[in-house]
Amino acid sequence: NAGVTQTPKFQVLKTGQSMTLQCAQDMNHEYMSWYRQDPGMGLRLIHYSVGAGITDQGEVPNGYNVSRSTTEDFPLRLLSAAPSQTSVYFCASSSGGPNQPQHFGDGTRLSIL
Amino acid sequence: AQSVAQPEDQVNVAEGNPLTVKCTYSVSGNPYLFWYVQYPNRGLQFLLKYITGDNLVKGSYGFEAEFNKSQTSFHLKKPSALVSDSALDFCAVRDMGFQKLVFGTGTRLLVSP
Repeated sequence: NAGVTQTPKFQVLKTGQSMTLQCAQDMNHEYMSWYRQDPGMGLRLIHYSVGAGITDQGEVPNGYNVSRSTTEDFPLRLLSAAPSQTSVYFCASSSGGPNQPQHFGDGTRLSIL
Repeated sequence: AQSVAQPEDQVNVAEGNPLTVKCTYSVSGNPYLFWYVQYPNRGLQFLLKYITGDNLVKGSYGFEAEFNKSQTSFHLKKPSALVSDSALDFCAVRDMGFQKLVFGTGTRLLVSP
């Protein structure tokens, strides 16, 4: 059982480049979300989805796009990378209901030069 | 909007001693509270959750948490710390009306031999 899989694990980009961070889960979870983790700031929600075809903004959505065409996949797109987007990105999923814990991937470490 | 505060950046404890990691929260209505642990270069792992009911919640790896409604706190505890408990601990809250999970800034737990 793979759980939540994120690719790539590491990436270095130049300012202005675009890229897509991949996230896939095999637990048939309805809810998926993207967070970024920065020192001293905990985890901040970027975007989330409550099901295929439905997405919404979190706390820090600017500069990022998402789509949810299938239950399993929830890619995060950086449109034009900026140094401020250097961070560790985590994808998480959970089954429906506010009492369900989220399952996290191992993260993508992204550096923007 | 819901929020979480973890007032300690770091907690130091000797192996075998009891440990407490503090968390206070703010939500409208009844809270759903969670503790997660993060080991180096890994995603967050679920430890335990509070929904309603007993004020002392037991979770993974011998951890427990004490819910106090009047003080709006949900402190993480363990009767006897292990060196392997050293990690970054996050408290999180979700209220009944929202899918979003809001995290605290994290507390680094260091257990010395």
